[in-house]
Amino acid sequence: AQSVTQPDIHITVSEGASLELRCNYSYGATPYLFWYVQSPGQGLQLLLKYFSGDTLVQGIKGFEAEFKRSQSSFNLRKPSVHWSDAAEYFCAVGGTTSGTYKYIFGTGTRLKVLA
Amino acid sequence: NAGVTQTPKFQVLKTGQSMTLQCAQDMNHEYMSWYRQDPGMGLRLIHYSVGAGITDQGEVPNGYNVSRSTTEDFPLRLLSAAPSQTSVYFCASGSPGTSSLVAETQYFGPGTRLLVL
Repeated sequence: AQSVTQPDIHITVSEGASLELRCNYSYGATPYLFWYVQSPGQGLQLLLKYFSGDTLVQGIKGFEAEFKRSQSSFNLRKPSVHWSDAAEYFCAVGGTTSGTYKYIFGTGTRLKVLA
Repeated sequence: NAGVTQTPKFQVLKTGQSMTLQCAQDMNHEYMSWYRQDPGMGLRLIHYSVGAGITDQGEVPNGYNVSRSTTEDFPLRLLSAAPSQTSVYFCASGSPGTSSLVAETQYFGPGTRLLVL
């Protein structure tokens, strides 16, 4: 079955510290992978996406993610977190199955940033 | 360029009432979709459309109807609201890119918070 797992519900980091948010997926075909961010009371905004090629992808706001096929992972990283990064982060996988388009989201990781 | 707009922002319904959540986009996107967001469950796809006149079911379609008569609009109808439909609803639209996906990037509206009593 297709699924996306974000094992960390909450993560707290200090401002200026590095960040890694974990994402594991299960998908039969080549996955299209995404990270979205949701600020409180807002809709989701795309941070970055991976379809093929270089397994390290750069996104907006200084975020990057690395696709590791052997580990079925697509972890999101940022070298130095800013207070404005406090938000909820969603990993997602997209693709087609039997002609049906699917986008499956993880349950999200809520990031808290300490001053 | 307003992007994706949703109305209303907040709605309270009684069990059994019907209502329509409105969604409009001005980016000429063929792909539009509806998600519901519940605590601890992330976003779940309700229905989607790949163009005017074409709709399909997502992961949790029961209790919801959609239609797509124009490229711009994609309303979501609740025919008989139930407390289990209390949720935050997001509409999204998307554009194709270089992949085979119908929508490589999805643009989300601000959401509609629905409470069913």
